[in-house]
Amino acid sequence: GQQLNQSPQSMFIQEGEDVSMNCTSSSIFNTWLWYKQDPGEGPVLLIALYKAGELTSNGRLTAQFGITRKDSFLNISASIPSDVGIYFCAGVGGTSYGKLTFGQGTILTVHP
Amino acid sequence: GAGVSQSPSNKVTEKGKDVELRCDPISGHTALYWYRQSLGQGLEFLIYFQGNSAPDKSGLPSDRFSAERTGGSVSTLTIQRTQQEDSAVYLCASSSRLATSETQYFGPGTRLLVL
Repeated sequence: GQQLNQSPQSMFIQEGEDVSMNCTSSSIFNTWLWYKQDPGEGPVLLIALYKAGELTSNGRLTAQFGITRKDSFLNISASIPSDVGIYFCAGVGGTSYGKLTFGQGTILTVHP
Repeated sequence: GAGVSQSPSNKVTEKGKDVELRCDPISGHTALYWYRQSLGQGLEFLIYFQGNSAPDKSGLPSDRFSAERTGGSVSTLTIQRTQQEDSAVYLCASSSRLATSETQYFGPGTRLLVL
């Protein structure tokens, strides 16, 4: 089945630093999504990407849908302590409709 | 309005027992999804419903897992004869309709521990 490889697995950064994480796939996805999960909560959608090459921002977050449709990255600028959490990429391919395939997650720790 | 709710929040059971997990989607959402999140892992798709029907059950790990949805609203995920490897967080999500462009809103999950 489809699999997403997400990296890095974890990051430890200082407040104010920029962060970058990415996902790659061996197969094509038609939609790329980035979620954040806080402890004890379900994932919350941050950014959705629907077109190859699309670059979308949401505040300090920027994400891009790779032109090959097999990768995506998420950047967080000027990190703050509340950015702490687990970030997941997710993709939807073919006729999978809403069936999401998730990456393994990136655990982000921000030191004040 | 209210988000997706799940119950129970936590469930501890003994190996071999059956468990039922409940999901209340956002009112009016026709699509409902179940995912499983094992410790330190991403989410694994289990099953989705469009209305009361589940056209794709291929994500269910074994025949011990079943799910139903009645009245186009509440869904129940049942695990029979639980095994220790079933321990995980079971997450439910709903969207206004079954389409990749529709945002899936997740509930807080049910943490299942099989002893």
